[in-house]
Formats: sequence, C-alpha cells, structure tokens
Amino acid sequence: DVVLTQTPPTLSATIGQSVSISCRSSQSLLHSNGNTYLNWLLQRPGQPPQLLIYLVSRLESGVPNRFSGSGSGTDFTLKISGVEAEDLGVYYCVQSTHAPWTFGGGTKLELK
Amino acid sequence: QVTLKESGPGMLQPSKTLSLTCSFSGFSLSTSGMVVSWIRQPSGKSLEWLAAIDWDGDKYYNPSLKSRLTVSKDTSNTQVFLKITSVDTADTATYYCAQGFFDYWGQGVMVTVSS
Repeated sequence: DVVLTQTPPTLSATIGQSVSISCRSSQSLLHSNGNTYLNWLLQRPGQPPQLLIYLVSRLESGVPNRFSGSGSGTDFTLKISGVEAEDLGVYYCVQSTHAPWTFGGGTKLELK
Repeated sequence: QVTLKESGPGMLQPSKTLSLTCSFSGFSLSTSGMVVSWIRQPSGKSLEWLAAIDWDGDKYYNPSLKSRLTVSKDTSNTQVFLKITSVDTADTATYYCAQGFFDYWGQGVMVTVSS
C-alpha cells in the first residue's frame, strides 16, 4: 500500500500567518494516464472532511484562494497564505492513483 | 446540490454483520466515471478507505478487509450499501460515504461494536 506521511503532525499558527503542510508518498503518484491523483481535505471539529484541492493543485469550487497545492511525484505541499479562524482543523492528503486508496495521518492546525 | 447520508444500526455486538446504507441525491451513479466510496474513521484517528463501487457496477476493496466486505448498489442508483461481517471492537468508528474521489461526503454514522 502507498504510505502518505504528513508533516508536521501539529501546526500552531496565528491569524494571518502563512503555513505549509507536507505530504510525502512512498511511491510516485503519477498515474499512467498522466494525472496525479493527490487531494487535500480539511476536517473541522465534529464535521466530515471536505475537499479543498484535487489533482495536486486544482482548487475546489468555493474554496478560498488562500489555499494552494503544489508538488509532483512523491512530494506535495499545501499552503495557506494567511490563516483565518475558519481554517482550524485537521488536514489530510489522500491518494487515489494506486489501489487501495490511502490517507495521510493528518496535520492538526491550531491557534497559537 | 450533491448530498449523501449514511445510516446504520448505531451499535451491534461482536461477531455480527454490520449493514450500512448510503442514500444520495444530486448525482447519478449510472453516469460514466462516477464512483461512491466507503471510508471509516475511529475516534481521534485518521481515515481508512474501505471499498468503492462505480457506475459500471465494478467493485473495489481494501485488501486488508476484503474478505469481510461487500459493497453493492440498488437498481435505481440512488443508494449504495456496505456489509462488514464478523465485526469486533476494532470496527468501532464513524463510517462515511463519499462521491467521486472524495469530492462530497456524508455527515457520517457512528457505529459502536460492544457486547
């Protein structure tokens, strides 16, 4: 199975601060069809996860553009340019290039 | 508007079979390329993909649980089902269904396995 390793496990930030979360894969997530199926999700407390970014860098409709994704192969990054209070929660990367689909361990974003 | 809602027994005893239903609207599972997945999350832990079924009726399972899982859909393509046999306390979790490659999620249903 593909292992996704997220760092850091916990991130403390002030409002307005820019932060980054890393997701490293145990194997390349480049599919034979040329797509890289790496998504980012946010799970707010008591809520189901919601999609933020798909295909590494494409912003889901309705998601603020302070969120951005980048990377290729095995290294991926989610950046939040100016944290807002509503961004607090746990962020997960998830891959669907290789079966079984797998999730990272999560990064909890909290207020400093 | 895409919505999904999970339903299940809430609590069941070890060794029983867990039956879950995902009822959805706003999309059709008969549309080419469409897929619905089941994912679970023990309290305070990360997410685990369990199974999926696509528009063509093809089924996909997590090998770690495959022998215990059965995913299916109804003929009207508005519900997806998951059965997990021989449950034990390790199956206690919130179970979610999700559309596509995790585009939309239901609110989840909490399932507790306890004697």
